[in-house]
Amino acid sequence: GQQLNQSPQSMFIQEGEDVSMNCTSSSIFNTWLWYKQEPGEGPVLLIALYKAGELTSNGRLTAQFGITRKDSFLNISASIPSDVGIYFCAGHREGNKLVFGAGTILRVKS
Amino acid sequence: ETGVTQSPTHLIKTRGQQVTLRCSSQSGHNTVSWYQQALGQGPQFIFQYYREEENGRGNFPPRFSGLQFPNYSSELNVNALELDDSALYLCASSLDWGNTEAFFGQGTRLTVV
Repeated sequence: GQQLNQSPQSMFIQEGEDVSMNCTSSSIFNTWLWYKQEPGEGPVLLIALYKAGELTSNGRLTAQFGITRKDSFLNISASIPSDVGIYFCAGHREGNKLVFGAGTILRVKS
Repeated sequence: ETGVTQSPTHLIKTRGQQVTLRCSSQSGHNTVSWYQQALGQGPQFIFQYYREEENGRGNFPPRFSGLQFPNYSSELNVNALELDDSALYLCASSLDWGNTEAFFGQGTRLTVV
């Protein structure tokens, strides 16, 4: 089963609002990745984080690797309709196996 | 566009049958992983192949097997299909075994009836 707790489960926000979602684990991960998945598509890599405390941006997206290495968050600023989708966090610990959260469903009202 | 392509995109099979799903990795990537994504859940790791050898396996029974070919394309085979095998099957390629950034294909939607 899933080892990552991702929250919130879903969000319905107004266009232009900022969004924040996070992922926590009882175990340490060496790498955190954030993906976005749209209907009928595979997950698309948004941001990869490699060091505890690292803060990385990709356009309007900002993600941080928690100091304890057991959590990460993703922020989206000034949301737009095309931000709609399911956002997944994924942690990497050993080998190349990625462990995924259950996802945060984002809906945007325009 | 990740450069990872999967075929077929959709498939319907009967319980007990066997299925083969195919994946073409992104150019230059020698590592491929397969994931199962049930409806409403995140992807679950099935196994990974690196240079034609299985290199890690998740909690899936032996009736899930795979192959990687010299050109790094890959197959996922599932024998004795069960209803619970209905899911989106995702292939992801990575530049090398040590590189954790995985790039996913669009998936194959398998329905077992």
